[in-house]
Amino acid sequence: EDKVVQSPLSLVVHEGDTVTLNCSYEVTNFRSLLWYKQEKKAPTFLFMLTSSGIEKKSGRLSSILDKKELFSILNITATQTGDSAVYLCAVESSSNYQLIWGAGTKLIIKP
Amino acid sequence: ETGVTQSPTHLIKTRGQQVTLRCSSQSGHNTVSWYQQALGQGPQFIFQYYREEENGRGNFPPRFSGLQFPNYSSELNVNALELDDSALYLCASSLQGRNTEAFFGQGTRLTVV
Repeated sequence: EDKVVQSPLSLVVHEGDTVTLNCSYEVTNFRSLLWYKQEKKAPTFLFMLTSSGIEKKSGRLSSILDKKELFSILNITATQTGDSAVYLCAVESSSNYQLIWGAGTKLIIKP
Repeated sequence: ETGVTQSPTHLIKTRGQQVTLRCSSQSGHNTVSWYQQALGQGPQFIFQYYREEENGRGNFPPRFSGLQFPNYSSELNVNALELDDSALYLCASSLQGRNTEAFFGQGTRLTVV
């Protein structure tokens, strides 16, 4: 059965710290891996990764995919209180374009 | 904010009742996907509608059903509600095969008592 596992489930750090969130997957017919930020209700798109070793970057956030070891990481540097959210990882299957989601990492940034 | 609107935003129902949730899609999008997100969990795929036809279904029983209308808006119907159906229900609209361009609605929080 396809699955996506995120770790840690929750994380509390202080403003300015750097965090690394993990996402491992076992999905047949892998197409892409996506990261989302969920603050209240609607997840908002962060990154899509399809190729190994190519870092995607947006401001203080970056992400990379390892298709051999079947995982991805999301890094956030110089964290701010506004980064507090649940970060979700989802893998897209090429057989039906459906998304298989992890349980998310709840990140809390303390001032 | 996206152009995807869900209604109602909150709902309380009694076990055994039926509920209909609604989703208007982003202009130009022809695909709507529905997800159930229990507290502390990631979204679980319920089903997807593409051009008014069901185009994939997750591991949900038949009492979860849906519709898509010619304007691509969609409904999720749940019959014989159970306590475990309490969750946030999210819809996402997109063009077929373009999950990275999917826009999520704000969700409907359903509580079954």
